[in-house]
Amino acid sequence: DTEVTQTPKHLVMGMTNKKSLKCEQHMGHRAMYWYKQKAKKPPELMFVYSYEKLSINESVPSRFSPECPNSSLLNLHLHALQPEDSALYLCASSQEASFGPQHFGDGTRLSIL
Amino acid sequence: DQQVKQNSPSLSVQEGRISILNCDYTNSMFDYFLWYKKYPAEGPTFLISISSIKDKNEDGRFTVFLNKSAKHLSLHIVPSQPGDSAVYFCAASESNTGKLIFGQGTTLQVKP
Repeated sequence: DTEVTQTPKHLVMGMTNKKSLKCEQHMGHRAMYWYKQKAKKPPELMFVYSYEKLSINESVPSRFSPECPNSSLLNLHLHALQPEDSALYLCASSQEASFGPQHFGDGTRLSIL
Repeated sequence: DQQVKQNSPSLSVQEGRISILNCDYTNSMFDYFLWYKKYPAEGPTFLISISSIKDKNEDGRFTVFLNKSAKHLSLHIVPSQPGDSAVYFCAASESNTGKLIFGQGTTLQVKP
């Protein structure tokens, strides 16, 4: 059982919709991450939050907007996405950004129509 | 430019034998290395890690070896079990960044 919980598991949205992906962990971790994974490819880092502050943005388009409301929660707000944004979106957490392995949730499978 | 490479897309071994998965990296600033296992429809599961100050780390059936001069690491699974069949990702990071770079993955099949 994963200790990083992501909702929803599946999401289908149109290009003009606004939706949010949610991630929660209760391990007391102070670093949280968003990754994107396309079929048969490795996960690619999008954002890193450390102590609720954005520390890394891997040049992600502004149609993806992360938010860290508190140390347990991480959101990814989606707006005006493109079909090529269809992918598995993975959330992860670790004790600190500089320490400890990252533990992943099971992801949200996103499809853009 | 792939900084972390897993050159074998797939590997098939017999149950009870040793599985050896390999990984090469190019960035000499990487100092923390991890292996993850991934089943379909699940997120990657952390298996084992190694810091660059070590050359070996063991956890039960899993052992990771690091050869810094060759920029090479390997994961040994012994004995292999059918439940080990999955995609295995090697990952590396520079200290203090939290940024993990993944290899392309190796699909391991353990035959009964």
